[in-house]
Amino acid sequence: DTGVSQNPRHKITKRGQNVTFRCDPISEHNRLYWYRQTLGQGPEFLTYFQNEAQLEKSRLLSDRFSAERPKGSFSTLEIQRTEQGDSAMYLCASSPTRNEQFFGPGTRLTVL
Amino acid sequence: SQELEQSPQSLIVQEGKNLTINCTSSKTLYGLYWYKQKYGEGLIFLMMLQKGGEEKSHEKITAKLDEKKQQSSLHITASQPSHAGIYLCGAEEMDSNYQLIWGAGTKLIIKP
Repeated sequence: DTGVSQNPRHKITKRGQNVTFRCDPISEHNRLYWYRQTLGQGPEFLTYFQNEAQLEKSRLLSDRFSAERPKGSFSTLEIQRTEQGDSAMYLCASSPTRNEQFFGPGTRLTVL
Repeated sequence: SQELEQSPQSLIVQEGKNLTINCTSSKTLYGLYWYKQKYGEGLIFLMMLQKGGEEKSHEKITAKLDEKKQQSSLHITASQPSHAGIYLCGAEEMDSNYQLIWGAGTKLIIKP
């Protein structure tokens, strides 16, 4: 399967715990995006990488959130001291150019 | 808040009937994307429109972008159960860098 993959698919955690999600983009895509989506809403942009450089970060992303893309391949999104409001679907997408973005299946986070 | 207005929010259509979903922005768009999402899953790319007046078709789905590049419509002809899902429009604004802004989605239910 050469699509975008995300792990884990589901994560249940207690408030205050840290969580980390992983995204493996399509191998030749140098652009990688993270979005957050809550029920009944479209995706909200979180951050964008071109290769290993994080070029844009949403104001929605508090300092509890951090993303990395070492070596310009896979990316991780970490949330520290999770809050119930962090419960959402976290989507990763990659693209080769400024064109369509290919989305992974998402990681659904539930914070109890 | 969503910067793209999608209408309707939800739609129930008898199988075999035609339907149209609209997506409107107050700003001129660089590109307009249509995606489909099944509940709890990632987004599947349908079509991308970039030029004013552009129209694209794939199987029974046709998408159009108006001349001003501020409004798009997605039309499904002779709807089938497989068309059920959430349709999302995403767009790049002319003065944006890399991120897509999104509509809230249109939930389509096909009645057999």
